Amino acid sequence: GENVEQHPSTLSVQEGDSAVIKCTYSDSASNYFPWYKQELGKRPQLIIDIRSNVGEKKDQRIAVTLNKTAKHFSLHITETQPEDSAVYFCAASFSGNTPLVFGKGTRLSVIA
Amino acid sequence: GAVVSQHPSWVICKSGTSVKIECRSLDFQATTMFWYRQFPKQSLMLMATSNEGSKATYEQGVEKDKFLINHASLTLSTLTVTSAHPEDSSFYICSPGDRAVANYGYTFGSGTRLTVV
Repeated sequence: GENVEQHPSTLSVQEGDSAVIKCTYSDSASNYFPWYKQELGKRPQLIIDIRSNVGEKKDQRIAVTLNKTAKHFSLHITETQPEDSAVYFCAASFSGNTPLVFGKGTRLSVIA
Repeated sequence: GAVVSQHPSWVICKSGTSVKIECRSLDFQATTMFWYRQFPKQSLMLMATSNEGSKATYEQGVEKDKFLINHASLTLSTLTVTSAHPEDSSFYICSPGDRAVANYGYTFGSGTRLTVV
């Protein structure tokens, strides 16, 4: 089955700097790659996603890139703010009939 | 679209008792519901998949007799933790599959924080 690896597990950046989180997946059949932000005790919130027919997607300060050949995808957050501090999870799936497989998460701390 | 209502949001129970968690789809019909468990400071791990009108499928290492899943209608899936023990304390969260995902993307219930004392 699918296996998703996520790095780093913790990341501290100064406010205004960029943050990059990287994930790799094992199943070449996976075609949907979302990123979630989770605050303590809350459900994961989708922040951006990308499908396998696209190499890059951007939404304001957040971008995701996908390299299908290498089977890895990355989250880029620019101009970080203290409210970006949270745990971020990457995930992968093949279709709506299959569950998401999550990475282990990255705890991002943005220092003011 | 694809709003899932999950109850209770938190529950404290004594060891040996059972707890039922409900996930109700409010504006769509869910033939499939994924149930995840998240231990403190860990990731979400799939426990089981419920399918309306048929038996649930469980992931390796998840006891089907302990975690009873019922998906009797297209709008309600339940997870019952039977004879709960402190090691069952976790954050349980549901997520509908199939047509809900096709139309709205993966969504999640609000989660249930279970504490067994």
